[in-house]
Amino acid sequence: DIQMTQSPSSLSASVGDRVTIVCRASQGISSWLAWYQQKPEKAPKSLIYAASNLQSGVPSRFSGSGSGTDFTLTITSLQPEDFATYYCQQYYTYPYTFGQGTKLEIK
Amino acid sequence: QVQLVQSGAEVKKPGASVKVSCRASGYTFIRYYMHWVRQAPGQGLEWMGIINPSGGSPTYAQRFQGRVTMTRDTSTSTVYMELSSLRSDDTAVYYCARAGTSVDYWGQGTLVTVSS
Repeated sequence: DIQMTQSPSSLSASVGDRVTIVCRASQGISSWLAWYQQKPEKAPKSLIYAASNLQSGVPSRFSGSGSGTDFTLTITSLQPEDFATYYCQQYYTYPYTFGQGTKLEIK
Repeated sequence: QVQLVQSGAEVKKPGASVKVSCRASGYTFIRYYMHWVRQAPGQGLEWMGIINPSGGSPTYAQRFQGRVTMTRDTSTSTVYMELSSLRSDDTAVYYCARAGTSVDYWGQGTLVTVSS
């Protein structure tokens, strides 16, 4: 199975900050990488697909980049509603594995 | 609009089975595969498998092979996930999720509690 490793596991930031979350795959996955946001007691929300494409309705302060094994999710100008847990997922090959999550907290 | 509506919470005893449903609306059901993902309390997301609503054999994660069965009913635009031989560590929220651009829509989740 492809292992997905996110860093950091948790992150404290302030409203207006720029933050970056890293996701690393144990083997190359081309651009078959998605990012999700999850708030407590809610279903995940899809943010980005194919490493850098925003899902419909996702604010432009979210962006993704990378290919192969190294990927990043960047949020510019953090808003209060962005404090949540973020997951990456590879969909290059079955099983479609997730990273362990990055919890973004208010400083 | 796309909607995935799942069945309600379940409480099961160890060794029993549970069957969770996910009814799709707002799109052509057979055109999109459907994932099942679970999340144990306080834990991350775990991919369980995927089914093609237009037919063919589902693909299951190895760790669930032999215990999970994913089926579909095209007449009601519903997919089902049945998990057998339940253990306490199967306690989790189970999600269906449409395979559009990766995953694009999620169900609301179904809490399955396994307790004696």
